[in-house]
Amino acid sequence: GDSVTQMEGPVTLSEEAFLTINCTYTATGYPSLFWYVQYPGEGLQLLLKATKADDKGSNKGFEATYRKETTSFHLEKGSVQVSDSAVYFCALTSYTGGGNKLTFGTGTQLKVEL
Amino acid sequence: DGGITQSPKYLFRKEGQNVTLSCEQNLNHDAMYWYRQDPGQGLRLIYYSQIVNDFQKGDIAEGYSVSREKKESFPLTVTSAQKNPTAFYLCASTGGLGTGFDEQYFGPGTRLTVT
Repeated sequence: GDSVTQMEGPVTLSEEAFLTINCTYTATGYPSLFWYVQYPGEGLQLLLKATKADDKGSNKGFEATYRKETTSFHLEKGSVQVSDSAVYFCALTSYTGGGNKLTFGTGTQLKVEL
Repeated sequence: DGGITQSPKYLFRKEGQNVTLSCEQNLNHDAMYWYRQDPGQGLRLIYYSQIVNDFQKGDIAEGYSVSREKKESFPLTVTSAQKNPTAFYLCASTGGLGTGFDEQYFGPGTRLTVT
């Protein structure tokens, strides 16, 4: 079945550092790919998405490029802030006979310190 | 404002009791989902519904039940048969026919503690 693998956390960075969170996937067909962010005690918010190979999703300074050849969708940000501290989830859409489902990675906690 | 409402935010129950978690959306979305989140395990799909009066089991449906009598509502019942019910439960919805089923919108979650 479809699966998503993320780098384990927590990732601890100083403010203004460069961020990379790795995400690779296994899927049949051509899934859409997503990054969601979860702040403490809250639900998930969509951060960015890409629907086909070579698409780049971007939002709030975060970027990720859909790489079909390496089955990857790594999240990057050039300069993180303390307010970026959260858990980040990579996900893909799986289309089944019963409808559409999201398959999530286990999440990567990011801590940004002053 | 359009969105997804889950209530209550915190819920406490004694072991052996059934409990129902509420999920309401005013986004006019066709599809709705329930996930369970445990520390270090990401999100796991419990049940989902693509349309009113129809729903499908997800990956971990045992010990849970749902209904979808109205487009706006998708309540989840955690039954006494669920062996380890303490978790954070998240409800989500997505657009549906004609608007795409891709990105899901999430509610704020309900933290259930069973003792």
